[in-house]
Amino acid sequence: GAVVSQHPSWVICKSGTSVKIECRSLDFQATTMFWYRQFPKQSLMLMATSNEGSKATYEQGVEKDKFLINHASLTLSTLTVTSAHPEDSSFYICSARDGWEATDTQYFGPGTRLTVL
Amino acid sequence: QKEVEQDPGPLSVPEGAIVSLNCTYSNSAFQYFMWYRQYSRKGPELLMYTYSSGNKEDGRFTAQVDKSSKYISLFIRDSQPSDSATYLCALIKAAGNKLTFGGGTRVLVKP
Repeated sequence: GAVVSQHPSWVICKSGTSVKIECRSLDFQATTMFWYRQFPKQSLMLMATSNEGSKATYEQGVEKDKFLINHASLTLSTLTVTSAHPEDSSFYICSARDGWEATDTQYFGPGTRLTVL
Repeated sequence: QKEVEQDPGPLSVPEGAIVSLNCTYSNSAFQYFMWYRQYSRKGPELLMYTYSSGNKEDGRFTAQVDKSSKYISLFIRDSQPSDSATYLCALIKAAGNKLTFGGGTRVLVKP
């Protein structure tokens, strides 16, 4: 099956610093990538949807200036958490879709655990 | 009220038992239904995808959809300890572009 990687798998940073998380589709071109956030024992909450070469679409309540998303190519999307604070500590998961239809399969990355001290 | 409701569990069953999971939804706009499995500290992986009312079988897994009742189910036969994970239902609206997840049910299969 299709593989999506994320880097880093975990990161610890100081409050006020910025952290960049990469999401790559390794064996297919992803027309659309999604970024989710997951708190312990809770479900995935969609943060934003990004299409290659265009601006990301953020879900209501997600600060676009805090969570910067760049989808520079068909195999790479990045999420930058700017000026991170302890409340940003969470499990961030990306997914990549291999088609334009909503029902095309989304393949999920393994997630990145962010801890902000 | 959440658009998709799912009992969080945990659901504990002995090895070999049938695991029964379900989700209910409130919006009839949801037309596509998926089940994902997520192991601890990992990303979800797709198990089943259905779009019509009725049953769909794949190995030990059976997905069931009842659009009239807005109720979907996943059954796991001959459960194994390796089936211990969190199971998430995910729905897509007919004119939508994104997955709406249920809260997930944690399943524990005891040897």
